[in-house]
Amino acid sequence: AQKITQTQPGMFVQEKEAVTLDCTYDTSDQSYGLFWYKQPSSGEMIFLIYQGSYDEQNATEGRYSLNFQKARKSANLVISASQLGDSAMYFCAMRDRGGYQKVTFGTGTKLQVIP
Amino acid sequence: EAGVAQSPRYKIIEKRQSVAFWCNPISGHATLYWYQQILGQGPKLLIQFQNNGVVDDSQLPKDRFSAERLKGVDSTLKIQPAKLEDSAVYLCASSLVRRGGLAGLKQETQYFGPGTRLLVL
Repeated sequence: AQKITQTQPGMFVQEKEAVTLDCTYDTSDQSYGLFWYKQPSSGEMIFLIYQGSYDEQNATEGRYSLNFQKARKSANLVISASQLGDSAMYFCAMRDRGGYQKVTFGTGTKLQVIP
Repeated sequence: EAGVAQSPRYKIIEKRQSVAFWCNPISGHATLYWYQQILGQGPKLLIQFQNNGVVDDSQLPKDRFSAERLKGVDSTLKIQPAKLEDSAVYLCASSLVRRGGLAGLKQETQYFGPGTRLLVL
């Protein structure tokens, strides 16, 4: 069975600094996808970045990058040059290739950016 | 491109009452999902449709929850009767599914609607 673990319930970061949000996963599948979503206080889940298990390079999307370490089963999100608008909940999720690709979410990390 | 639409945005009901939520996915997205997100937790999948067929409803409390996706586009989620513990945000998401091939996984990114906040008193 799939499992996503986010061990940091809350994080603080100074504005303009970089921050890393941790995510580890467990799956027996060889082919899977990893996703990060941002959820502001308004409640909407916003897709940030995707990493495929067979992608050789770490994914990047603007200020977001994914530090993918397949052997350690980790997929940490790095946010560079933090902005006040980055304050939100961040969820790591995984989709495997079995059946209809069920998606499992972690419990989330609440990030607060300090001016 | 229009996003996933949901209504209502907020709903307050008393326990034992019924409630229904509506979702319109992104045009062309074959897969539709309903999630329940209780405060402080990650989303939990309730039901997944592929076109108008159910492919996963293993976590749907079928004694009180029901969902349908007639014609493979819009979907409704109903709770009847509601309990206090049903208070949560109900999120709808859709994805463009392409089966087969490693490149297809990125196409299966889910895009979420704004959610419906339900409070059961």
